[in-house]
Parts: sequence; C-alpha cells; structure tokens
Amino acid sequence: EVVLTQSPGTLSLSPGEGATLSCRASQSVRSSYLAWYQQKPGQAPRLLIYGASNRATGIPDRFSGSGSGTDFTLTISRLEPEDFAVYYCQHYGSSPYTFGQGTRLEIK
Amino acid sequence: QVQLQESGPGLVKPSETLSLTCTVSGGSISGYYWSWIRQPPGKGLEWIGYIYYSGSTIYNPSLKSRVTISVDTSKNQFSLKLSSVTAADTAMYYCVREPVVAAGGGGFDYWGQGTLVTVSS
Repeated sequence: EVVLTQSPGTLSLSPGEGATLSCRASQSVRSSYLAWYQQKPGQAPRLLIYGASNRATGIPDRFSGSGSGTDFTLTISRLEPEDFAVYYCQHYGSSPYTFGQGTRLEIK
Repeated sequence: QVQLQESGPGLVKPSETLSLTCTVSGGSISGYYWSWIRQPPGKGLEWIGYIYYSGSTIYNPSLKSRVTISVDTSKNQFSLKLSSVTAADTAMYYCVREPVVAAGGGGFDYWGQGTLVTVSS
C-alpha cells in the first residue's frame, strides 16, 4: 500500500500570497497517477489536479501541480479568499487507492 | 452535467448491513469506473472500492471481506453493501466517478454530495 504523507499539516497564509503544499509517497507512484482535491466544510471534495500536473476542467490556472516518483507539489500562485480549505493528495496507480491526511490552508 | 446522488438509510444497527445506492444522471454509467469513498466525521478520506461498468470490481483489502459493490447499467446505478458494521463505519459515504486513464482522464472527477451513515443501536 502506498502511504501518502502531506506537509505541512496546517498552513497559515494571507490572500494574495502563494502556497506550496507537499505530498510524499512511501513508494514511487506509477506513471504519476497522483491527484489533488480541495474540500470545503460541508462539501464533497473537488478534483483540482490529475496525472500530477493536469488541471481538471474549470480549475483556475493559479492552481498547478508538479512532481514525479515519490515527491509531488500543489502550488497556488495567488491565494483568493475561496482557496482556504483542506487539500488532499491521492494516488490511483494501484490498489488500494490511498489519500494523504490533508493540509489545512487557513487565513492568517 | 453529470450528477451523482447517494441514497439509503442514514442509521444502521451494529452487526447489520449498510446498503447504499448511487444514481447517475446526465451521463452514462458505461465506460467509467465507479467508486465508493467514505469520510468519518472530522477525519480524512478512505477509498472503499470500485466497479467498472462491465462489472469487474476491486476492493480495499482493509474492507474486502465485508464489501460488495454492484452495478445496474439499465438503471444507471451502482450500489454498496458493507456487512457486519460497527461504530467505526460511521461516516459520510460518497459515490464518485473515475475516468479511464487511457482515455485521458484520472482522479475522481464527479462526486455525489455524500450521505451520512451512523451506526448505532
């Protein structure tokens, strides 16, 4: 089983700043089958990035993903008020699919 | 616009079987993988398993002995059964769509709103 470890656990930033979220895998993720999701309170998660670096439909270009192998990053270039939420990484390269524990992005 | 809607009892007694159905509208169930994911209150996400529209399944080994996922393409629905539930199975249950990677997709691109299932006597 691929264990995904996200860091930091909580990130406190101000609107307009940039954010860098990390996701480290316990073993190499096959073919970069790595996705990122955003979850706001009371809502289902929303797909942001798939294939490590491909933005999902309708996702603003301030969101970008990078990485391969065991180290992946989600970057938000200029934080908007609506970006403050919990972010999860997830691999889908092999069974069982697993999620990271999440990074909470909060307003400073 | 594809929409997924979970339905089923919100309260299940310990040792009984949790049963949920996901109805897919605005698109066909064919050609995709369909998963169930759960999230205990205040905690993270756990993948339960998936079914391909053709009927093949893969389950999370941690739940495999208790899980059955089935599909009814004629109704554009798929279902989850989780047997011998305990309080640890209390969670928000989501049904989700996963595009085939070879077709240019990846990740879970459509989610239901979720349904809270509480296990309690």
